[in-house]
Amino acid sequence: RKEVEQDPGPFNVPEGATVAFNCTYSNSASQSFFWYRQDCRKEPKLLMSVYSSGNEDGRFTAQLNRASQYISLLIRDSKLSDSATYLCVVNIYRNQFYFGTGTSLTVIP
Amino acid sequence: NAGVTQTPKFQVLKTGQSMTLQCAQDMNHEYMSWYRQDPGMGLRLIHYSVGAGITDQGEVPNGYNVSRSTTEDFPLRLLSAAPSQTSVYFCASTSALLNTEAFFGQGTRLTVV
Repeated sequence: RKEVEQDPGPFNVPEGATVAFNCTYSNSASQSFFWYRQDCRKEPKLLMSVYSSGNEDGRFTAQLNRASQYISLLIRDSKLSDSATYLCVVNIYRNQFYFGTGTSLTVIP
Repeated sequence: NAGVTQTPKFQVLKTGQSMTLQCAQDMNHEYMSWYRQDPGMGLRLIHYSVGAGITDQGEVPNGYNVSRSTTEDFPLRLLSAAPSQTSVYFCASTSALLNTEAFFGQGTRLTVV
């Protein structure tokens, strides 16, 4: 069983739409959680950390449900520049980060 | 602001050749890791280190060696390249502080023919 499971998509949405990505993780001892963004042929870059209380950064909202071992990312008012692959990342222990396969998002004009 | 630097960016090897992928970080991070990324597989952990002189295996360590003689450097060695090692390789570094993110190098695209 994979440590982190994500729907690979692709998600094709019009500009201005709201889109949600979900992710589940298998290890209940996981310590920290992140969403990364990866543009084509580039390295992953941190989009935001995810906390149990939920956190928001502009148009982006991340939620963590430890009981259900579930992480989500909501993007409101999608922009063309949001087109990328979004990676759900879980830190299980020390620097052992486990990645979902990524969800591909294309925002259409 | 160098961050994590990987070299080379691209490499083509013949089956059986050996090579070393270089990774250096200037953030004084304790933890460093190597990942490979393949289509449909996501990033998978190859080897990691929690400090100079300490390394351990990740999910997919076979065919790769690492060493960590300094805090800054964490090279990845392919001893005898195989076509199955064709992939994009990313090096990452992380602070030992709790809940801190990983910073990635720009990646090395390796093709083994």
